[in-house]
Amino acid sequence: EAEVAQSPRYKITEKSQAVAFWCDPISGHATLYWYRQILGQGPELLVQFQDESVVDDSQLPKDRFSAERLKGVDSTLKIQPAELGDSAMYLCASSFGPQETQYFGPGTRLLVL
Amino acid sequence: DAKTTQPNSMESNEEEPVHLPCNHSTISGTDYIHWYRQLPSQGPEYVIHGLTSNVNNRMASLAIAEDRKSSTLILHRATLRDAAVYYCIRFINTGKLIFGQGTTLQVKP
Repeated sequence: EAEVAQSPRYKITEKSQAVAFWCDPISGHATLYWYRQILGQGPELLVQFQDESVVDDSQLPKDRFSAERLKGVDSTLKIQPAELGDSAMYLCASSFGPQETQYFGPGTRLLVL
Repeated sequence: DAKTTQPNSMESNEEEPVHLPCNHSTISGTDYIHWYRQLPSQGPEYVIHGLTSNVNNRMASLAIAEDRKSSTLILHRATLRDAAVYYCIRFINTGKLIFGQGTTLQVKP
């Protein structure tokens, strides 16, 4: 069964450093999502791509976060510089289209010291 | 964006039915209700979704109130593997899932 792949699974960094997370969606899925999940809360959408274009990044802190999906397949989420409050689980999801079921990857757990 | 409201936690006995409630009184007429569940250290997993009618699949049933202000996820026979956080979610037609706090379900043997 096809799955969304994410790496790394865990990342520890110091504040002010740069971090990057990678996501490989299920083959054929045109829509890709990045969510952030703070411990004890539900995930919150950061950015949504349709192919290589950003559809919604209204909740993305653009002063320090960036996301790209250059060829419309895999995607990278970057934080520079990381802050203590960025400690969270970063989840990637994909779907055939924006109206279709989203499938989530295992997530990257980030700890900022 | 308004979120759904769920009890923080619920308990169930193994092999008994479980009814997980959700309030979404401010939902718009075009928003679907989705349910996902999340096991520890894993990403959320799709369970079921609906708009107005009750829905059934191999995992669960979803009962939606006639006024659409609430819904109930029904697990017909809980197993230990069903212990998870269950999220009742507003699905906006752009593709955005708006998660609430979720209900932590404990299943006792």
